[in-house]
Order: sequence, then C-alpha cells, then structure tokens
Amino acid sequence: EVQLVESGGGLVQPGGSLRLSCAASGFTFSTYEMNWVRQAPGKGLEWVSQISDSGSTIYYGDSVKGRFTISRDNAKNSLYLQMNSLRAEDAAVYYCARSYCSSASCYRDLWGQGTLVTVST
Amino acid sequence: QSVLTQPPSVSAAPGQKVTISCSGSSSTFGNNYVSWYQQLPGTAPKVLIYDNNKRPSGIPDRFSGSKSGTSATLGITGLQTGDEADYYCGTWSSSLKIYVFGTGTKVTVL
Repeated sequence: EVQLVESGGGLVQPGGSLRLSCAASGFTFSTYEMNWVRQAPGKGLEWVSQISDSGSTIYYGDSVKGRFTISRDNAKNSLYLQMNSLRAEDAAVYYCARSYCSSASCYRDLWGQGTLVTVST
Repeated sequence: QSVLTQPPSVSAAPGQKVTISCSGSSSTFGNNYVSWYQQLPGTAPKVLIYDNNKRPSGIPDRFSGSKSGTSATLGITGLQTGDEADYYCGTWSSSLKIYVFGTGTKVTVL
C-alpha cells in the first residue's frame, strides 16, 4: 500500500526540541520531493519545508527558517524534521506530504495522517 | 510570508453549484500553476485539482479549476453533503522559493 506514516509528535516545553519522522512505503521514495506541512488547531494549512529527491535542495518557510531542519534517508525510506527552539505558535498537526511533478508543476499528491506537536509548560 | 486569499465560507443547497476564489500577488502567483485541496473533517488534505484545471484519477468532474492572472477559481457542481469540507488553493512561488497555501474556505451544504 502506498502510504506515509508520521511519528515523533508529543508534548514539549517552549525552547525545547523534537524530531519528527515520516516512513514511506509502497513507492520509490528516492525519486520524489518531500514536504512538511503543518496545521495549528482550528487553523489553515501552512507549508513548512521541502526537500528534493536527493536531499541536495531544501527550502523553508520564513516562520521556521533557522530553527527547523528537514532531512531524508533514502536507504530507510524516511523523511525527518528536526525542530529546535520550539515556540507556542509551532503547536500543530504536522503532515508529511509527497510532491508529484507533472510536466507543468508539482503538487502534494500523497499525505500522511499527521502527528500532533504540543508546545506548552 | 505571502498568502493566497480565499473567502472564509461559501454555502449552497444540495445539487447547486459553488465557486471558491483564490487571489494573490504577482510574486506569489506569477505564471505558477495552482492546485486545490479538500480537507474533510478530521482527515488529511487530498488533492482535487492540479496544474490549474486538471483532475487526478478518481476525482469526479463535478470539481473544476481555472486560473487567470493572479486569481484562481474552484468550482463544485451538483453539491453533495459529502462535499462539506475545507478547501485550500496552493501554489509554488518560483520567485520566492516557497509553497503558499490559501487561507481556506469552508463549504457548507444547506
């Protein structure tokens, strides 16, 4: 089955760190760009970061730049998000999403079920 | 960070049609293509439209998309109760090197 499964969410204090993982299965992980997208409770979607298939090209949203690090291990079919200096506003469900590229553009065609990150004392 | 603006909510009776607009700046939209995502309550988003107006396999033709300049539109015809969800537009800004989601629109079937 083609799927993405996130893990690693939980409760962390402000200023703390957390590492999210996303396990991919059912497709050739190493040939796809991957993303992290988050959604704060009751709020809309916010793109967090994107990594190319090889890991050589990485982009971040302004709100996490310098604090979060995206990475991947193609041998393990896994995507990661290292989150440091966490703030209350980082609390959200974090989704792992695959980018599928047509001849014209890339869109997020496969999503995991999400993992909840809570930032609180 | 740039945003794409959508109306907070739209509603219509079963069988009717709704349209959802998505507007942004030239630096966000430019000549970039738009995707549309549906998020049913308590679930992950699902792509409905890509490349402005194309539907992935399995998406019914009740869903359509278009784009002109710095705005895009999602149309849903033959509205069903199962269409009640949040809808988001999204685009990759090649100039800003970021992916931008719209503010989201809640569709209510009356």
